[in-house]
Amino acid sequence: KNEVEQSPQNLTAQEGEFITINCSYSVGISALHWLQQHPGGGIVSLFMLSSGKKKHGRLIATINIQEKHSSLHITASHPRDSAVYICAVKGPGAGSYQLTFGKGTKLSVIP
Amino acid sequence: GAGVSQTPSNKVTEKGKYVELRCDPISGHTALYWYRQSLGQGPEFLIYFQGTGAADDSGLPNDRFFAVRPEGSVSTLKIQRTERGDSAVYLCASSFGGQETQYFGPGTRLLVL
Repeated sequence: KNEVEQSPQNLTAQEGEFITINCSYSVGISALHWLQQHPGGGIVSLFMLSSGKKKHGRLIATINIQEKHSSLHITASHPRDSAVYICAVKGPGAGSYQLTFGKGTKLSVIP
Repeated sequence: GAGVSQTPSNKVTEKGKYVELRCDPISGHTALYWYRQSLGQGPEFLIYFQGTGAADDSGLPNDRFFAVRPEGSVSTLKIQRTERGDSAVYLCASSFGGQETQYFGPGTRLLVL
């Protein structure tokens, strides 16, 4: 079974700061997801990536397959970015569909 | 609907009772997943449907848990003889296929007293 570790567990930032959240996993994967969960439970998929880098607005996700590591970056952070960010991996195996989740990183952005 | 919906949003029950949790996936999505999220933890996989059949139910914790998807759309997660340890948020997700992005519902918060 894949072990997914996220760091930090909690992160407090001032508005405007650049934020990095890290995710490492133990076994090869077919894809990695970054998810955002707001208070109340709703989960939104931010990125699904299997190599390289993806960007959407102020969010950037990178993955290094060889090092089994991914990062989620938020530029010019804003209080509305406050949420729990969860890394989830799919695989190993191209036919795998089951997601294994990290425990999440709770981000608080202070005005 | 535009997204995955789950009902009820909250359910309080007593130990030993039976509960049903419903998930309405996005129209046209053939894959449906159930997850359970305990307080302070990430979600854990319970079961995956491809169409009407449970392709993988290896995450169901024991035989008190059962899920169906009789017409390949709506799914019901059924929990018999509930225990306090079953208290969690039960999340449903759907995707167009097994390898596509999963879209999550808002969850059902179950509290067993």
